[in-house]
Amino acid sequence: GAVVSQHPSWVICKSGTSVKIECRSLDFQATTMFWYRQFPKQSLMLMATSNEGSKATYEQGVEKDKFLINHASLTLSTLTVTSAHPEDSSFYICSARDSSKYEQYFGPGTRLTVT
Amino acid sequence: EDKVVQSPLSLVVHEGDTVTLNCSYEVTNFRSLLWYKQEKKAPTFLFMLTSSGIEKKSGRLSSILDKKELFSILNITATQTGDSAIYLCAALVYNQGGKLIFGQGTELSVKP
Repeated sequence: GAVVSQHPSWVICKSGTSVKIECRSLDFQATTMFWYRQFPKQSLMLMATSNEGSKATYEQGVEKDKFLINHASLTLSTLTVTSAHPEDSSFYICSARDSSKYEQYFGPGTRLTVT
Repeated sequence: EDKVVQSPLSLVVHEGDTVTLNCSYEVTNFRSLLWYKQEKKAPTFLFMLTSSGIEKKSGRLSSILDKKELFSILNITATQTGDSAIYLCAALVYNQGGKLIFGQGTELSVKP
């Protein structure tokens, strides 16, 4: 149990385009999902907390107009990187918190490369 | 400002050695301390520690939390090359949906 999927697992896009990443909790309900970014040889940096049915809470320094988060159901959150630039290239990981517990379960991650 | 600090940042050992990884934290609304192992992809869960002084064990790995001194250690005995990975600790907070604040990670390399 407690499986979280992400799609796509990797994506290459051109500068200026937008990319959508999906995060799904497959066998539990997740009121809260989290989006992280990880650069090579660095730790996970929390970008935003996504709450079902309400606006996401962004961490300091993260542009909410650039990283659009939508959490429309208890099993799906999406992150859209708008007008992507090469510096947005990174490993994006989501996690989902089981609504009945504090445990978070991580998705497998999405590697984004912007050319 | 909340922070989680790990040490050392990197470590090279030989198979069979025992290693101790450190994690200290200064976090308001602290609930628990979690350890993860990360290889090529997303982190995999190792331990969650909520109470002080109670050791958790899983095979060759064990961990303990000291809530008075605000730190945790992760021990790996009889290391194997498969233990090579980045080990992350994270503080779980009560508010803000229960977010995790990660340390920088310790990169462990186990040589044959």
